[in-house]
Amino acid sequence: SAVISQKPSRDICQRGTSLTIQCQVDSQVTMMFWYRQQPGQSLTLIATANQGSEATYESGFVIDKFPISRPNLTFSTLTVSNMSPEDSSIYLCSVSTGGSYNEQFFGPGTRLTVL
Amino acid sequence: SQQGEEDPQALSIQEGENATMNCSYKTSINNLQWYRQNSGRGLVHLILIRSNEREKHSGRLRVTLDTSKKSSSLLITASRAADTASYFCATRRGGGSNYKLTFGKGTLLTVNP
Repeated sequence: SAVISQKPSRDICQRGTSLTIQCQVDSQVTMMFWYRQQPGQSLTLIATANQGSEATYESGFVIDKFPISRPNLTFSTLTVSNMSPEDSSIYLCSVSTGGSYNEQFFGPGTRLTVL
Repeated sequence: SQQGEEDPQALSIQEGENATMNCSYKTSINNLQWYRQNSGRGLVHLILIRSNEREKHSGRLRVTLDTSKKSSSLLITASRAADTASYFCATRRGGGSNYKLTFGKGTLLTVNP
């Protein structure tokens, strides 16, 4: 299984500011994803991070709000822009080595609180 | 809409007892994966079961899949206090490059010492 690290592990931010979350994997992976987990809720896919091209966003999520970078096969960033208290969530990076039968693994998450 | 739905939403048992959690889904799937999450931390991958499999074991975990009923169950035997966590099922639909995982709402398991 892949070892995934995220930075920061948690942060408290002011309304209107932006936060960039980093995801680093210890091996090259085909697929990288970003999920959001709102308090007491399940996980919702934000987008698929594509290496060398624009991310693929799910319905309800837009690039201006959640810009994503993926410069190589082991690293991705998610920015939460112009934050509001509704953005308070756990943000999780997830990876898969590709192939529809392969396991998908998750990072430790970034707990974001917006005041 | 959510693909998976777990039940019960919450389960409280005594240490040493078995815990069974169920997951139902709506469309055909390629595989189904179970995860554990402790206190709002990251998800730990427990087990993957493919659509052509009916049962898998891993240590104290037993997962079954019934594609005709579109349901899966996770059994944890001889539970321990450390098993206290939220458990999620997630389904991956079949076909092509569709790698999207869709999560259920989860079951909160409390194992009392």
